[in-house]
Amino acid sequence: DGGITQSPKYLFRKEGQNVTLSCEQNLNHDAMYWYRQDPGQGLRLIYYSQIVNDFQKGDIAEGYSVSREKKESFPLTVTSAQKNPTAFYLCASSINDRGWRGNPFAGELFFGEGSRLTVL
Amino acid sequence: KQEVTQIPAALSVPEGENLVLNCSFTDSAIYNLQWFRQDPGKGLTSLLLIQSSQREQTSGRLNASLDKSSGRSTLYIAASQPGDSATYLCAVRGSGGYQKVTFGTGTKLQVIP
Repeated sequence: DGGITQSPKYLFRKEGQNVTLSCEQNLNHDAMYWYRQDPGQGLRLIYYSQIVNDFQKGDIAEGYSVSREKKESFPLTVTSAQKNPTAFYLCASSINDRGWRGNPFAGELFFGEGSRLTVL
Repeated sequence: KQEVTQIPAALSVPEGENLVLNCSFTDSAIYNLQWFRQDPGKGLTSLLLIQSSQREQTSGRLNASLDKSSGRSTLYIAASQPGDSATYLCAVRGSGGYQKVTFGTGTKLQVIP
């Protein structure tokens, strides 16, 4: 089955620690995204990548870092610089916008099951 | 700046009722609009995608409409079931530059048996 796998599902972090959330997809999508979800707020974009070895900051990138060494993988590191990291993190993917013309599924987002990070 | 609003924030209906969820957006220059379902503690499941050139999409008991000129979309759920209980989110993808996606905060639906 094609899809997006996020791990771990639950993660606990002590003050001052960096933690890395994994996101793997087998949908053959070029574009991948990381979102943060907090109660009562809409999803906010942390980072996105349209192609391997390239990524851009989203609206709330401070305190986070990413890499995109493989098409299938887009890990997110929550660094100690992120002052309020407790949240639900969601990874998503879509067809790269270069493949949108005439495609009825252009721009459709697919999500993983999420990772819940709690700071102790 | 695009803003997406979903009203009401919560809705409770008896089983079997037809219902409409609303999504409004401030900037009509959109590429597409997508409706999602989210169960507690889970990721988002895509329900329907409407491209900007389309007026509606249907899947089973779900029908979504799009009116760009008025900045509105509705998700119609026919013959609601307890299994429909979840939070429903709409997301709007902009059409300029990087096509940023803006999410609403969702409508939490409870269908009572």
